[in-house]
Amino acid sequence: QSALTQPASVSGSPGQSITISCTGSRSDVGNYNLVSWYQHHPGKAPKLIIHEVSKWSSGVSNRFSGSKSGNTASLTISGLQAEDEADYYCCSYAGSDTFPYVFGTGTKVTVL
Amino acid sequence: EVQLVESGGGLVQPGGSLRLSCAASGFTFSNYWMTWVRQTPGKGLEWVANIKQDGSEKNYLDSVKGRFTISRDNAKNSLYLRMSSLRAEDTAVYYCARERHYGSWYFDLWGRGTMVTVSS
Repeated sequence: QSALTQPASVSGSPGQSITISCTGSRSDVGNYNLVSWYQHHPGKAPKLIIHEVSKWSSGVSNRFSGSKSGNTASLTISGLQAEDEADYYCCSYAGSDTFPYVFGTGTKVTVL
Repeated sequence: EVQLVESGGGLVQPGGSLRLSCAASGFTFSNYWMTWVRQTPGKGLEWVANIKQDGSEKNYLDSVKGRFTISRDNAKNSLYLRMSSLRAEDTAVYYCARERHYGSWYFDLWGRGTMVTVSS
């Protein structure tokens, strides 16, 4: 099972919107509405932002939104803020109870 | 406070063994599947293993099968990962995570991780 493909880096100015893509295959992203997104500030615990493609985790700002089209899922951050600077990972159910998860390659978001 | 705290990482020689621990607090540990995820240097995240609430089901990444063993002690609110025959490619930060299983498939609580370095 190959890792899901994300852009290595995305940047934007405060207040702008950015979108991070997550491309998989018909075996994972394309076949299940089971994509989750995680924010990771290095040295801290990763944090769930979005699950099941577009559902917000408790307490997460609605500036974050998720969507999916075909084999590609996307995370959009609106009204970019300095604290959004972090690494972001997507993850999809991979179709098997014995190998359930495939992660994305990760995207570094920089707030200019 | 709801949290997971990993420990037990360190420097180990190739072929050596190590046991990681994850202490859970603030929630009913025995109600959840639990998972280990690792992040290799310069690379992304990789699911390693998971275990059912009562320990009756365990699943592993192919590359660690036969070398790693996941276990839990619900009385101690603790998750473990016994790693043996360690290889350089096992060098990573290891995170434990609480898993939403059966139809949801995501991780809603993570620890800060513990670093494992396999080197001579």
